[in-house]
Amino acid sequence: GAVVSQHPSWVICKSGTSVKIECRSLDFQATTMFWYRQFPKQSLMLMATSNEGSKATYEQGVEKDKFLINHASLTLSTLTVTSAHPEDSSFYICSVNRDSTYEQYFGPGTRLTVT
Amino acid sequence: AQSVTQLDSQVPVFEEAPVELRCNYSSSVSVYLFWYVQYPNQGLQLLLKYLSGSTLVKGINGFEAEFNKSQTSFHLRKPSVHISDTAEYFCAVALKAAGNKLTFGGGTRVLVKP
Repeated sequence: GAVVSQHPSWVICKSGTSVKIECRSLDFQATTMFWYRQFPKQSLMLMATSNEGSKATYEQGVEKDKFLINHASLTLSTLTVTSAHPEDSSFYICSVNRDSTYEQYFGPGTRLTVT
Repeated sequence: AQSVTQLDSQVPVFEEAPVELRCNYSSSVSVYLFWYVQYPNQGLQLLLKYLSGSTLVKGINGFEAEFNKSQTSFHLRKPSVHISDTAEYFCAVALKAAGNKLTFGGGTRVLVKP
């Protein structure tokens, strides 16, 4: 399978600050990447679809001004959690879609803890 | 909208015993089906997928799943589990007509006991 990296793997920040998470596709160029969040012992919830060169598409209930997504190149998408609060603490996972297939390759995840 | 139900939140099983993880979905249109495994503090790894063709799909690590359209099910099975199969397993669907967005089930935690 394809290799997808995320950085950082773990971050702690203070309430009110912003945190940027990077997702990189190392094996192929991807026009589409996805961002998920996962609460402890729960399933993955799709937050948004990141499209290279255009605005991200957010799922219902996800605040686009709070979770800023930038897909500036075909191998990099970033998720910025702005003005983070303790309720934003979660496991954030990105995935990369190989064009013309329905398979997604997942990154290892980033654990965000907001104190 | 589509939905995915994994009927068992936890499945304890003894080593070398068989295991079946149940997955049912609801959708008014054709779907693609997936099973993923997640080890602690890691991302998801694809076990197998059904896109078309044979309804019995074989995946990695000895897992297989069978697509049953009439029952809208995609149950995952392994005839003999190992300790290393202890993990969280997620069933997911993607609508054929809606790009590659995945909808996940709630997950089933498999605990393999020696």
